[in-house]
Amino acid sequence: QSVLTQPPSVSGAPGQRVTISCTGSSSNIGAAYDVHWYQQLPGTAPKLLIYGNNNRPSGVPDRFSGSKSGTSASLAITGLQAEDEAEYYCQSYDSSLSGWVFGGGTKLTVL
Amino acid sequence: QLQLQESGPGLVKPSETLSLTCTVSGTSISDSSYLWGWIRQPPGKGLEWIGTIYYTGSTYYNPSLKSRITISMDTSKNQFSLNLRSVTAADTAVFYCARHGYVSGFDPWGQGTLVTVSS
Repeated sequence: QSVLTQPPSVSGAPGQRVTISCTGSSSNIGAAYDVHWYQQLPGTAPKLLIYGNNNRPSGVPDRFSGSKSGTSASLAITGLQAEDEAEYYCQSYDSSLSGWVFGGGTKLTVL
Repeated sequence: QLQLQESGPGLVKPSETLSLTCTVSGTSISDSSYLWGWIRQPPGKGLEWIGTIYYTGSTYYNPSLKSRITISMDTSKNQFSLNLRSVTAADTAVFYCARHGYVSGFDPWGQGTLVTVSS
């Protein structure tokens, strides 16, 4: 059971918008620790997609955006493309565990 | 260009110690701005933070693994290492090393190395 909870799967048609939620608690997201998002394509290492809740590293398309409110965070992907089909993970810091934590991951399927 | 590369045996016997090394190029692991972490991913499952080391030698471990892990660093070789003791089949995973900050994400990651625990 992951400290951060994500839906196991989401799906959308090309061109559509999807969101992936990440629910935490008062010891992580709710404690104002930043949330980061990763994209993992099949057979590859995770890649930082969003850092500091809503910042994109250089090279990440602006179709990807992040937000945070209370004890939850969300990743939004607009204008879905086939290449977006991947596993997505949220990550934060947890003060109760005194360590870094990941969500269980969400498989995005582009229909 | 900053790169991380994991290395170590791909097969470890049950009850033995898994030892991996992460070699960093393109920056110094003595940079006070960052920490250096290990993450694992069992086949078909999600990511699990294992532990982290800071250039001072301070370590931070996942409570669920703390009794079995040691992370160390060799600044002369620009490497940091992971030892996981008393392994079982449940420790079979792809192991990644990555740079991260206290408030920034894990970036970049190494390509990962699969370690299988089997007799």
